[in-house]
Amino acid sequence: KAGVTQTPRYLIKTRGQQVTLSCSPISGHRSVSWYQQTPGQGLQFLFEYFSETQRNKGNFPGRFSGRQFSNSRSEMNVSTLELGDSALYLCASSLEGGTGFYEQYFGPGTRLTVT
Amino acid sequence: GENVEQHPSTLSVQEGDSAVIKCTYSDSASNYFPWYKQELGKGPQLIIDIRSNVGEKKDQRIAVTLNKTAKHFSLHITETQPEDSAVYFCAASRLSGGYNKLIFGAGTRLAVHP
Repeated sequence: KAGVTQTPRYLIKTRGQQVTLSCSPISGHRSVSWYQQTPGQGLQFLFEYFSETQRNKGNFPGRFSGRQFSNSRSEMNVSTLELGDSALYLCASSLEGGTGFYEQYFGPGTRLTVT
Repeated sequence: GENVEQHPSTLSVQEGDSAVIKCTYSDSASNYFPWYKQELGKGPQLIIDIRSNVGEKKDQRIAVTLNKTAKHFSLHITETQPEDSAVYFCAASRLSGGYNKLIFGAGTRLAVHP
């Protein structure tokens, strides 16, 4: 089975711009979570989508948003980019039935640099 | 709030030695504890996990122990090899439908010297 894929792998943007990152989960996985990884703050949870609905949300400003499509693919958007948004953005998918939580598998990440 | 503390931040061992990484969590409702290994330029890779209904789990050279009373869990790597060199993250979560949020520790950079 193919793993979690993320595109693009690298991105350079300018302050004030917006960016959209894409994540394709493992086939059959319905839950997609997004995390931000920085040297200073470590791995921080952004949000999670399940069946096209945001189900959990971390403590990030409203500039960070996401969505999930009917095929479980997900996108994350950051508007009005700030220098501090430079980070590795990781997507993780999990297979979830009605009874609970399953293991999360991460993609390789998108390295975003804001200049 | 939810918090996971991880120690040490760096660990250097000789090939063949054992390595132990320890984590403490704050959310008493946590009942799922995965460990991830992250190599340079890659995303975190799940290497082992444990659920609160067991105290220990082993997979070849890797083992994880859990002490729910003390809210501690640890990763043990025996007979370390140079390819074990990476950053290791512990995490905690609640094993329940609808809650899919991992709280990560700050990471441990493990270096295994030949």
